[in-house]
Amino acid sequence: IAGITQAPTSQILAAGRRMTLRCTQDMRHNAMYWYRQDLGLGLRLIHYSNTAGTTGKGEVPDGYSVSRANTDDFPLTLASAVPSQTSVYFCASSPRGLAGGWDEQFFGPGTRLTVL
Amino acid sequence: RKEVEQDPGPFNVPEGATVAFNCTYSNSASQSFFWYRQDCRKEPKLLMSVYSSGNEDGRFTAQLNRASQYISLLIRDSKLSDSATYLCVVNPYSGGGADGLTFGKGTHLIIQP
Repeated sequence: IAGITQAPTSQILAAGRRMTLRCTQDMRHNAMYWYRQDLGLGLRLIHYSNTAGTTGKGEVPDGYSVSRANTDDFPLTLASAVPSQTSVYFCASSPRGLAGGWDEQFFGPGTRLTVL
Repeated sequence: RKEVEQDPGPFNVPEGATVAFNCTYSNSASQSFFWYRQDCRKEPKLLMSVYSSGNEDGRFTAQLNRASQYISLLIRDSKLSDSATYLCVVNPYSGGGADGLTFGKGTHLIIQP
């Protein structure tokens, strides 16, 4: 692996189902993030993690949960999917986190999720 | 007032022309600023950071005006490959905790042959 990967690439999901989006980075970055991108709304932060073992809520956390058991993985779980969660989901990582100021964020290729 | 505002465009520009767009931000305590580029159905990628003194990278020039709270991006001698959406990004971090980068909705640029 080089960089940051996400799985699945795309998914169609029935409302009410549970779904976990996977994100893995091999850059040993401290911080990781989940965003959703919707037409007309731009990228919005769902949850973040400054370091393994810690997580925080972003702008739109409701209906989503995350965990950060180790440095490399940052899965995003939808406990009971709803149609409004139809979106493109991007995972990102950065070496030091936002406290690093000029820290660049590297994005994964995204997961396109449709909830019917 | 939205935190980060951009003109969505599209900007239709002939190849070889110079194009500029601005972005305004509302949080005067914002610490760092970036332009990201996003191609259709792809992930955003860092184009350049925006420093107070202004900075240039080849055909691209970025400037920050803290007093008026805006950043700008200038593209000279535009190429067809410059066609993309340009995202203005602000880091509002002020020491109290990480809230995530704030993204503008993007400016869509189309370079025409």
